[in-house]
Amino acid sequence: KQEVTQIPAALSVPEGENLVLNCSFTDSAIYNLQWFRQDPGKGLTSLLLIQSSQREQTSGRLNASLDKSSGRSTLYIAASQPGDSATYLCNTNAGKSTFGDGTTLTVKP
Amino acid sequence: GAVVSQHPSRVICKSGTSVKIECRSLDFQATTMFWYRQFPKQSLMLMATSNEGSKATYEQGVEKDKFLINHASLTLSTLTVTSAHPEDSSFYICSARAGGTYNEQFFGPGTRLTVL
Repeated sequence: KQEVTQIPAALSVPEGENLVLNCSFTDSAIYNLQWFRQDPGKGLTSLLLIQSSQREQTSGRLNASLDKSSGRSTLYIAASQPGDSATYLCNTNAGKSTFGDGTTLTVKP
Repeated sequence: GAVVSQHPSRVICKSGTSVKIECRSLDFQATTMFWYRQFPKQSLMLMATSNEGSKATYEQGVEKDKFLINHASLTLSTLTVTSAHPEDSSFYICSARAGGTYNEQFFGPGTRLTVL
């Protein structure tokens, strides 16, 4: 059974800082991995999708990497802004979808 | 990206009533749809997977007689919470996928269910 772990559970940083969110998973036989953000009381916003054959994906200030062999993914956020404050969820797709518990990010002005 | 809608976005009902939640893929045909629930400050837990025209596959611990799932067309799946009780209050999110298991899932905006 796939287990997805996200570290840290919560993170508070000053505006402008670069930061890294971590996701680890136990079963490396995944088709893809996706990062989402979720604002309080809201649904999911897809940030980046990395297929199993890819090593990384970039969108604006976000960069996600994938190392299937070690069962790890990172989400790098450059020059963080208060609007980045949200919970970030990692999701692995191995035919069945498994979410991590998320990292709650607070970016202070 | 592809769009998935859910209706209603929010529902409040009395204990013992049944509630139906719709999930629609608006601009693509979804061969597979998924239903998740999310309790406050927790992550999403997969409840069931449904393929169009087939019976849903439920995750361990999810009561199939309580959470009825119908995936009658390639653009619509419904989740009916039967005889809802306060402990069923949660955020329910659906997702839809076209084609194979390696394809991206697209998520709906969620439905907030409150059972009084």
